[in-house]
Amino acid sequence: EAQVTQNPRYLITVTGKKLTVTCSQNMNHEYMSWYRQDPGLGLRQIYYSMNVEVTDKGDVPEGYKVSRKEKRNFPLILESPSPNQTSLYFCASSSSGTGEGEQYFGPGTRLTVT
Amino acid sequence: RKEVEQDPGPFNVPEGATVAFNCTYSNSASQSFFWYRQDCRKEPKLLMSVYSSGNEDGRFTAQLNRASQYISLLIRDSKLSDSATYLCVVNTGGKLIFGQGTELSVKP
Repeated sequence: EAQVTQNPRYLITVTGKKLTVTCSQNMNHEYMSWYRQDPGLGLRQIYYSMNVEVTDKGDVPEGYKVSRKEKRNFPLILESPSPNQTSLYFCASSSSGTGEGEQYFGPGTRLTVT
Repeated sequence: RKEVEQDPGPFNVPEGATVAFNCTYSNSASQSFFWYRQDCRKEPKLLMSVYSSGNEDGRFTAQLNRASQYISLLIRDSKLSDSATYLCVVNTGGKLIFGQGTELSVKP
């Protein structure tokens, strides 16, 4: 089944404790991206990647890191999480390298930082 | 000014009504445009791509006006199952900007 998977789905952590949210797609998509969704602010793009080893900042990259060492995986790293990073996170992928095609979203990761 | 702005919601309409959503974008270099649907904080799903020539998919019609930097979505004969949040999305050189979303509630 074609899908985007994210892990974990739910995470409660403490300020400053490094964490990684994994994202994997099995559709051989070129483009992958991360978003956060907050009430009243909608979805905001954190980082995107048009291909392996190519990553670019979205609208809200501060406090996040990503890597794209292989096509299928695009992990999101929070080196020192803070409470303002409490949010619902979505990973997405698209067959178009520029992200112009349909975005396929993962199920989301609900992160709480205390 | 926000890069992508949508009509504020919520829209509460009776079944069978026609409802229109509007969206404006600020970057004239934007290349591609979409409407997504999101149910109750689940993952967004593509509803339709939006083209300058306009496109229709059953009860849904999307229009793009590049000169006015304006995108619209028309839903005819609303169903209870259309209740959701509708997101306008603009792609500019690989960077995707989402509108805040407009919530639609269709009542019996």
